[in-house]
Amino acid sequence: DQQVKQNSPSLSVQEGRISILNCDYTNSMFDYFLWYKKYPAEGPTFLISISSIKDKNEDGRFTVFLNKSAKHLSLHIVPSQPGDSAVYFCAASAGQGGSEKLVFGKGTKLTVNP
Amino acid sequence: DAGITQSPRHKVTETGTPVTLRCHQTENHRYMYWYRQDPGHGLRLIHYSYGVKDTDKGEVSDGYSVSRSKTEDFLLTLESATSSQTSVYFCAISPNSDSYEQYFGPGTRLTVT
Repeated sequence: DQQVKQNSPSLSVQEGRISILNCDYTNSMFDYFLWYKKYPAEGPTFLISISSIKDKNEDGRFTVFLNKSAKHLSLHIVPSQPGDSAVYFCAASAGQGGSEKLVFGKGTKLTVNP
Repeated sequence: DAGITQSPRHKVTETGTPVTLRCHQTENHRYMYWYRQDPGHGLRLIHYSYGVKDTDKGEVSDGYSVSRSKTEDFLLTLESATSSQTSVYFCAISPNSDSYEQYFGPGTRLTVT
């Protein structure tokens, strides 16, 4: 049973436009959500996170929105740049951090075209 | 930079042979994790550790064992490698008990022929 779902395997956008990556979850106990970015042949890198007590978190060009009632979160990248081309993983956790495990989605491959 | 190294970075081995992957960290983080990444599956947790000699199973632990005799090293062992264990393996750390964020090493690409 997949608890974190990224239903779009790939997304292609033009440079300068907005990229929207979506993630759905099924476990109502999840209370913290993270996005990771992964380039080929490298480890995933932490991008941005959001606690369930918030509905929005922003860091530069990256904004994550959380809709708890819909069990849905999204990552907005504005403006998109070619260097943003990577695989993006959504992850979720329930608990108090550290010892709590992260559950990852399958990832969405973003391609930003010049 | 979380100070995480993995060795080897690439390995090709034959079915039935034992394989040990090493994760080394330099900052005395308590929590360490082993994941595998496969196409169509994302990242899946194999085992994790919350201290020296304290480990627990993750989602896909069958066929794998781990050991942590020192804070800085977390070893993943495939007792008898199978072709289904061909994958990219990532080690991760969590800085402290209050942090959800995990930081990943560069990965080990393992091919079992």
